[in-house]
Amino acid sequence: DVKVTQSSRYLVKRTGEKVFLECVQDMDHENMFWYRQDPGLGLRLIYFSYDVKMKEKGDIPEGYSVSREKKERFSLILESASTNQTSMYLCASSPGQAGSPLHFGNGTRLTVT
Amino acid sequence: QKEVEQNSGPLSVPEGAIASLNCTYSDRGSQSFFWYRQYSGKSPELIMFIYSNGDKEDGRFTAQLNKASQYVSLLIRDSQPSDSATYLCAGSTGANNLFFGTGTRLTVIP
Repeated sequence: DVKVTQSSRYLVKRTGEKVFLECVQDMDHENMFWYRQDPGLGLRLIYFSYDVKMKEKGDIPEGYSVSREKKERFSLILESASTNQTSMYLCASSPGQAGSPLHFGNGTRLTVT
Repeated sequence: QKEVEQNSGPLSVPEGAIASLNCTYSDRGSQSFFWYRQYSGKSPELIMFIYSNGDKEDGRFTAQLNKASQYVSLLIRDSQPSDSATYLCAGSTGANNLFFGTGTRLTVIP
């Protein structure tokens, strides 16, 4: 079974802090993704990566950056956390074949106060 | 604009009934479709995928795809209280990303 592990289940940060969310997958998947999920808005793509050191902006990249130095690890960075970034953050991975399903981590519920 | 639309519900069915969840998509280039189940406070888990027109069955679940009508559905037979969750429909155009609907909340009443 694919395992996608997010480092924190719950996180509370203060406005203006720099926040790192870490994600690791163990299936040698090429693609990795960061989504946020908010009530009524569904899953929105922040960034994705199809290879080491490669990244693509998703639908809502503003206020976020990402890093992928190793194939198995994809980090989401909130440069200066704001209250409107309070959300559930979901990491996912998929194989390189087009149209493959995504496998999700358990999610990180981030609260910015 | 790639969009997937779902009836947000909530949808309530009695235990043992058939639950029917529907999804439409706007991009005719969409090739693959996925149904995810998400329990409250948990992450989405893949339950079915379908690539070809017609029906695909897996246990109590049947996915249906009609590319001409740009319509995807999920039928859950003999619904159980444990099926109560939000169901997300997602499509892919063959690129690496999936496009998700906002989900339909299903409640199965014992």
